[in-house]
Amino acid sequence: EVQLVESGGGLVKPGGSLRLSCAASRFTFNHAWMDWVRQAPGKGLEWVGRIKSKTDGGTTDYAAPVKGRFSISRDDSKNTLYLQMNSLKTEDTAVYYCTTWDDNGVPYWGQGTLVTVSS
Amino acid sequence: QSVLTQPPSVSGAPGQRVTIFCTGSSSNIGAGYDVHWYQQLPGTAPKLLIYGTNNRPSGVPDRFSGSKSGTSASLAITGLQSEDEADYYCQSYDNSLTVPVVFGGGTKLTVL
Repeated sequence: EVQLVESGGGLVKPGGSLRLSCAASRFTFNHAWMDWVRQAPGKGLEWVGRIKSKTDGGTTDYAAPVKGRFSISRDDSKNTLYLQMNSLKTEDTAVYYCTTWDDNGVPYWGQGTLVTVSS
Repeated sequence: QSVLTQPPSVSGAPGQRVTIFCTGSSSNIGAGYDVHWYQQLPGTAPKLLIYGTNNRPSGVPDRFSGSKSGTSASLAITGLQSEDEADYYCQSYDNSLTVPVVFGGGTKLTVL
């Protein structure tokens, strides 16, 4: 079954940067479109952004609150997805999940990694 | 403000049936996109309960079922059990240019 494992979360000061990783396995990563979703403490789920497969152009899209500050990339040779977060704000504090779906439309999520932005 | 609307809370006694509704619009649920449902226990990642509107992953009891009509979807839980007490989220897709994946705000299920 699809496996997604996020890492890289931690405590960072406002204005700082952090890079999250998502190690993917048990599916054809280079064909997959990958999303990041986040959940602030006590809040609901929020789509952050997406990267398409290279065969579909490899383009990225972002939610308005993170556009211009966050950047999604992928290394298909390492089956790894990244989320580079710059100019972090306290409101970016959340658990960040990487997600994808299989050919049947079944969604898969990782276990998440916590990012805390605080001085 | 979530794109999909869910009631903040629902409750039911053990053994009863509860239904959680998820209301969208013509750009998401009404456009025919799949609806997924998740169960989230405190401190854990969302767990997939229903995918593709009415399909259960392996291991999910048949007490959980999903349906869709027009611009709304629903999750029904029958034979309510104490371990069903959790937050439930609906998810769909949207053909807007800005946000392709949309969520409900979540519903807290309390088992009385």
